[in-house]
Amino acid sequence: DARVTQTPRHKVTEMGQEVTMRCQPILGHNTVFWYRQTMMQGLELLAYFRNRAPLDDSGMPKDRFSAEMPDATLATLKIQPSEPRDSAVYFCASGPNRGPLPGNGYTFGSGTRLTVV
Amino acid sequence: SQQGEEDPQALSIQEGENATMNCSYKTSINNLQWYRQNSGRGLVHLILIRSNEREKHSGRLRVTLDTSKKSSSLLITASRAADTASYFCATDAGNAGGTSYGKLTFGQGTILTVHP
Repeated sequence: DARVTQTPRHKVTEMGQEVTMRCQPILGHNTVFWYRQTMMQGLELLAYFRNRAPLDDSGMPKDRFSAEMPDATLATLKIQPSEPRDSAVYFCASGPNRGPLPGNGYTFGSGTRLTVV
Repeated sequence: SQQGEEDPQALSIQEGENATMNCSYKTSINNLQWYRQNSGRGLVHLILIRSNEREKHSGRLRVTLDTSKKSSSLLITASRAADTASYFCATDAGNAGGTSYGKLTFGQGTILTVHP
């Protein structure tokens, strides 16, 4: 089965350090999302790309977060400097060019669990 | 803010029983999707229903959509212990770029526990 691959799976870092999370979307998918999941806020959309162009990053704190797609096979989410409140699970998801198909929806990666101490 | 509100927040049933979860949303949508999340894992797509559809079936899953009430329900029939997970509805309102699909906005989820 085609998968969305996220690295690293777990990351523990000290406050103030830079964190980079990576996502390899499914080949041929050109819609990519970054979500953050916490117990308090649930699943929040951070950024949304189509054809590598950002369509919506209004949910992302711009002062410390940045999201890019250097090429069609890689999406990155960076936090600099990281803070304890950034501790969460970060998910990447990708979708086909024509939008979610009835049998497929969007495919999520397994997530990066970030802990900032 | 979350578009979808799910009800109940938690549901505990016995194997073989049916489980019904509800989702309400606020704005017009292009489609609504349901996802499952096992503890510590990513989300898995279950079913998608478009705004012009009223009911969809997939195996033991049945989804209804009432756009006049801005609500949807997910029914899992003959539940199994393996169905234990969190279930999320997600709405897709389309986007201003003219495409019929866009970002997903998730509800808070229903935690389903199925006892053997």
